Amino acid sequence: SYELTQPPSVSVSPGQTASITCSGDKLGDKYASWFQQKPGQSPVLVVYLDTKRPSGIPERFSGSKSGNTATLTIGGTQATDEADYYCQAWDSSFWVFGGGTKLTVL
Amino acid sequence: EVQLVQSGAEVKKPGESLKISCKGSGYRFASSWIGWVRQMPGKGLEWMGIIYPDDSDTRYSPSFQGQVTISADTSVTTAYLQWSSLKASDSAMYYCARRGDYGFYFDHWGQGTVVTVSS
Repeated sequence: SYELTQPPSVSVSPGQTASITCSGDKLGDKYASWFQQKPGQSPVLVVYLDTKRPSGIPERFSGSKSGNTATLTIGGTQATDEADYYCQAWDSSFWVFGGGTKLTVL
Repeated sequence: EVQLVQSGAEVKKPGESLKISCKGSGYRFASSWIGWVRQMPGKGLEWMGIIYPDDSDTRYSPSFQGQVTISADTSVTTAYLQWSSLKASDSAMYYCARRGDYGFYFDHWGQGTVVTVSS
């Protein structure tokens, strides 16, 4: 079955740039999406189709992809960005989520 | 405004059946795929399956095939997730989510339904 791999945790200082990676076999041939989930809340889409940002999502959230690794970048990280982040892709009729990355802003 | 409103928390005993719901509004319900996602306590998101309400075309994750049934009723713009015989390991938060218009991603999510299975 298809798998997406994320680092379990990433730490960043306020105002700095945070990068969260997501790797998978032939991910370069698929589209990646990213979701933010804060404690006790439903996931929220922050990036789709690798690089697109939904309306209402701050510009400091951006997505990119190089080879088989997608990256979510948060520029000028704020305390409110502390959350779990999940990547997601679609492979042969199946939807797959990465294991999630806990972003700590300290 | 697109909204997905899920049914309330459930407490069940092992072996009981259960059907939870997800009511869509603010868009053409029949023509947007609706998926279900499980999140066990303290764990990540797991895709369970997805349905196209217009023709009930349904796909299941291999991990959940045969364990749950996904259905939809376009007359009440509602999707369902059901179990015929619950296990303690089914205790989790369950989210419904709508597939986005331009690809394979979920653009709107329900508020979640907590299911607790305990004797």
